[in-house]
Amino acid sequence: ETGVTQTPRHLVMGMTNKKSLKCEQHLGHNAMYWYKQSAKKPLELMFVYNFKEQTENNSVPSRFSPECPNSSHLFLHLHTLQPEDSALYLCASSQMGREGPREQYFGPGTRLTVT
Amino acid sequence: LAKTTQPISMDSYEGQEVNITCSHNNIATNDYITWYQQFPSQGPRFIIQGYKTKVTNEVASLFIPADRKSSTLSLPRVSLSDTAVYYCLALQTGANNLFFGTGTRLTIIP
Repeated sequence: ETGVTQTPRHLVMGMTNKKSLKCEQHLGHNAMYWYKQSAKKPLELMFVYNFKEQTENNSVPSRFSPECPNSSHLFLHLHTLQPEDSALYLCASSQMGREGPREQYFGPGTRLTVT
Repeated sequence: LAKTTQPISMDSYEGQEVNITCSHNNIATNDYITWYQQFPSQGPRFIIQGYKTKVTNEVASLFIPADRKSSTLSLPRVSLSDTAVYYCLALQTGANNLFFGTGTRLTIIP
């Protein structure tokens, strides 16, 4: 399998559930990202990992917990979510470098619905 | 990050060339102009990136004038499958925090 994959593609969960989103990149990149895209809103960057180290956390509530065990895998652990957390969650990867910006490659996303 | 401004929406007919302009008056010296395309319920897809003058690849061209305060994405002979949201970003060298904005919703009419 190539590119960036995400599982599951669709998830419905109650507010008291605990679930995890998984992302895997097969591009040999060293940076991975989580974005949230709510209906008719711009993409919001949530977390950034460079070489497995978290380098950005854009004021994301603690009910979202990222995990990056290696440079190819990224997880987003979810617990006690709110209905307003329903959105498309996108994972991306890129190659970090000093020579210029590196384009990001996105996965297909997980459509999350919180009931 | 340099803020960019684009039209909210555009319509065009199949087979025509479409030009989407992006304004970035406060662009920094080390910013690159980068365009992404996004279909509904999918992640954005990188289209093209440039610093100045003209860049062309198999899907689009990017024109950046000498003052770099604006840029134009050109899509030749569009088809219905080009209906999507197009995002213009000013991306700093070594930066990894992309700000996508609201983009331009392009609708291709048969």
